[in-house]
Amino acid sequence: KNEVEQSPQNLTAQEGEFITINCSYSVGISALHWLQQHPGGGIVSLFMLSSGKKKHGRLIATINIQEKHSSLHITASHPRDSAVYICAVRSLLMNYGGATNKLIFGTGTLLAVQP
Amino acid sequence: EAQVTQNPRYLITVTGKKLTVTCSQNMNHEYMSWYRQDPGLGLRQIYYSMNVEVTDKGDVPEGYKVSRKEKRNFPLILESPSPNQTSLYFCASSLSYPGQAFDYEQYFGPGTRLTVT
Repeated sequence: KNEVEQSPQNLTAQEGEFITINCSYSVGISALHWLQQHPGGGIVSLFMLSSGKKKHGRLIATINIQEKHSSLHITASHPRDSAVYICAVRSLLMNYGGATNKLIFGTGTLLAVQP
Repeated sequence: EAQVTQNPRYLITVTGKKLTVTCSQNMNHEYMSWYRQDPGLGLRQIYYSMNVEVTDKGDVPEGYKVSRKEKRNFPLILESPSPNQTSLYFCASSLSYPGQAFDYEQYFGPGTRLTVT
């Protein structure tokens, strides 16, 4: 089982719809990142959060640390929102040599918003 | 403009021919990483660097080398590329190395699509 699971894997929406993408993780974390990857391939950071909720324009990200779950919401979706949305967690891993903080990535959610 | 640049953006090469993918950032970031992205696997870390002359292996370092002689540059070297290194490669940087209770925003380069035949 992957340490970071996203759902759905693929999502098609009509312009204007409210969209939710979910991310569940199984490790202890210090932060969770939401990233956007456009069809051209470039990756952009949308949010980094460790508790509560953040909002930027039409995008809202929430996290529930106790439930190990985060959601990314897009309000009033637009075709330009079509992209792959990637959840990544900064894990807290203890090993023999000390603590390591690695980013663990989900496999992404492919969103297509149709006009 | 704050950015991470990678070159080349696209490269087709043959097995065994040494190549270097360059990565440069203009934000005075201490922490830099290389990732590869393969279908169904997500992004996986190859190598990372916490600062000049400090590098360490990520999850999939086999077949790759890196160096960090200057703060702004972090080249990825494939001494003898093989077809299983065909992938989309990303360089990323952040202000510093993450702590136990905090992290930093990640800045990604545009990606390098490598095909090894």
